[in-house]
Amino acid sequence: AQRVTQPEKLLSVFKGAPVELKCNYSYSGSPELFWYVQYSRQRLQLLLRHISRESIKGFTADLNKGETSFHLKKPFAQEEDSAMYYCALGGGGNKLTFGTGTQLKVEL
Amino acid sequence: ETGVTQTPRHLVMGMTNKKSLKCEQHLGHNAMYWYKQSAKKPLELMFVYNFKEQTENNSVPSRFSPECPNSSHLFLHLHTLQPEDSALYLCASSQDPLDSGEQFFGPGTRLTVL
Repeated sequence: AQRVTQPEKLLSVFKGAPVELKCNYSYSGSPELFWYVQYSRQRLQLLLRHISRESIKGFTADLNKGETSFHLKKPFAQEEDSAMYYCALGGGGNKLTFGTGTQLKVEL
Repeated sequence: ETGVTQTPRHLVMGMTNKKSLKCEQHLGHNAMYWYKQSAKKPLELMFVYNFKEQTENNSVPSRFSPECPNSSHLFLHLHTLQPEDSALYLCASSQDPLDSGEQFFGPGTRLTVL
């Protein structure tokens, strides 16, 4: 069975501080991992996926198969990063399993 | 309008009512999805349609009945719902049914069952 765990419901950081949103997964096959983001009053949208290995809006995420993790990181948080972040796991077709989400709040 | 649209945006219904949620995608995608988002729970996949064919029913009660008349439209027919079915229902679409690539989400329908 596929499972995604995001242990933090809320993460509060100060502007300019580093951010790390945790995500762990459980999957027996070859995983595809994604981070989706939902800004206030906007719809859920893809932030990044592990196979692209890109930095989007300063965020990066590395798939660690040994630790079954896909943590989202940014060295310096900005106020506009405040949003709800969801980790998602895909594998074997087009089904996605989402975590419960982490609300990131960047304070001035 | 571009992207994925959903109507209505808000719906209040009694347990004996019958209503339908509509989703339309203007992206030329071949896969469409219904998700349920309840408070304090993960986004739950309900149904998947690939090339208009239902390929996934994630143990959804029969009081939810999906319909996909073509690759651009997806409906969720509701009847005799329960108060615990109150939630945000999200529609999404993606290009390739064989790949868990980027899914594009609609704004959702906020459903309240009295």
